[in-house]
Amino acid sequence: GAGVSQSPSNKVTEKGKDVELRCDPISGHTALYWYRQSLGQGLEFLIYFQGNSAPDKSGLPSDRFSAERTGGSVSTLTIQRTQQEDSAVYLCASTSSGGNSYEQYFGPGTRLTVT
Amino acid sequence: AQSVTQLGSHVSVSEGALVLLRCNYSSSVPPYLFWYVQYPNQGLQLLLKYTSAATLVKGINGFEAEFKKSETSFHLTKPSAHMSDAAEYFCAVSGNQGGKLIFGQGTELSVKP
Repeated sequence: GAGVSQSPSNKVTEKGKDVELRCDPISGHTALYWYRQSLGQGLEFLIYFQGNSAPDKSGLPSDRFSAERTGGSVSTLTIQRTQQEDSAVYLCASTSSGGNSYEQYFGPGTRLTVT
Repeated sequence: AQSVTQLGSHVSVSEGALVLLRCNYSSSVPPYLFWYVQYPNQGLQLLLKYTSAATLVKGINGFEAEFKKSETSFHLTKPSAHMSDAAEYFCAVSGNQGGKLIFGQGTELSVKP
């Protein structure tokens, strides 16, 4: 079956612009996660959605970052007024709520470059 | 709070040699532990996981890891390295089923012919 997909695969934007990154989780997966991978910080958790519960936003680095998940499926991560330090690969993952729900399935990522 | 430390950002082995990648964790609750592999320009793939069952866990591609509570370790091993094992490996911890992952800094494995 289809895995986690993310779009765009690459995004170059100018400092100060807003960007939206999209994640399509595996069909039926109720939990969705965003992580960021950068040279300086490694792999960092950003935000986590589980079903209809309030999202865990504890990893968002600033109020310029926000995310939503519509209809319990697709998620969009928005970065406002981008800064050069936002340059990173943004990874999305999803998992099911039952059975073998320990494994998070990762998408290929969106490489964001802020110039 | 949880954290993961991977000892050695780069490890180089010869083809056919033992692979040992070290991971130590800190967790205030019984941990769930994972090893992920990332090939160049690809996403993360789960190698294996520890979820409080058997302490010796076998994963894909001949890798295994042993959970040692007394040493707070979850080291990854493979008896004989293959060229295709060259990649970056990440150890991660979670405090609950389906919870967020806290990753180590990663270890890049090189395999020499």
